[in-house]
Amino acid sequence: DIVMTQSPDSLAVSLGERATINCKSSQSVLYSSNNKNFLAWYQQKPGQSPKLLIYWASIRESGVPDRFSGSGSGTDFTLTISRLQAEDVAVYYCQQFYSTPWTFGQGTKVEIK
Amino acid sequence: QVHLQESGPGLVKPSATLSLTCAVSGVSISSSNWWTWIRQSPEKGLEWIGDIHHSGATNYNPSLKSRVTMSVDKAKNTFSLRLTSVTAADTAAYYCAREGGNGIPVSGVGNWFDPWGPGTLVTVSS
Repeated sequence: DIVMTQSPDSLAVSLGERATINCKSSQSVLYSSNNKNFLAWYQQKPGQSPKLLIYWASIRESGVPDRFSGSGSGTDFTLTISRLQAEDVAVYYCQQFYSTPWTFGQGTKVEIK
Repeated sequence: QVHLQESGPGLVKPSATLSLTCAVSGVSISSSNWWTWIRQSPEKGLEWIGDIHHSGATNYNPSLKSRVTMSVDKAKNTFSLRLTSVTAADTAAYYCAREGGNGIPVSGVGNWFDPWGPGTLVTVSS
């Protein structure tokens, strides 16, 4: 199984500041045939189910604010919230869909400082 | 807009079978999409259980494969999960979701999950 490891486990950021979450996969999730990274990011607010933010590592889902961005390739990825808003308080997960079984990171909790 | 809703017993006895159904609205379950089950517990985090296509093709997590069966009911626009011989370790919130993208899981090419249902908490206890 591909192990997804996120860092940090939690972070506190001031409103309007940048939040950066890292995700590392135990093997590359870059598919050579189409040069796409098979990685997604989700946001889970308290009491809710996860919501898709980004797929193909950097493609923002429709309706997701542009302060959310994804980057990286191969085994190292980053989710950036450029200007943290109060409604961004949540747990964020990365997920690989390169190799079955599809696996998730352990989550990163984002709070307001 | 696509909407999914899980339903089933919230309490299951040890060694019994857990059965859940996901009702899909806003799209036909016979579309090209795959449909998936995921569970979440404090101990294991988010764990993918398996996915199914309306053709009946399935793709299960090897860690659960011996106990899992998924099925589709096209007439009711639903898909279902059965997990046998449950233990306390199967206590979790269970989510159903649609898979986005053009991946074909049985061929090894996967998809992201969107949208998700609100989830249902299943407790295994006597």
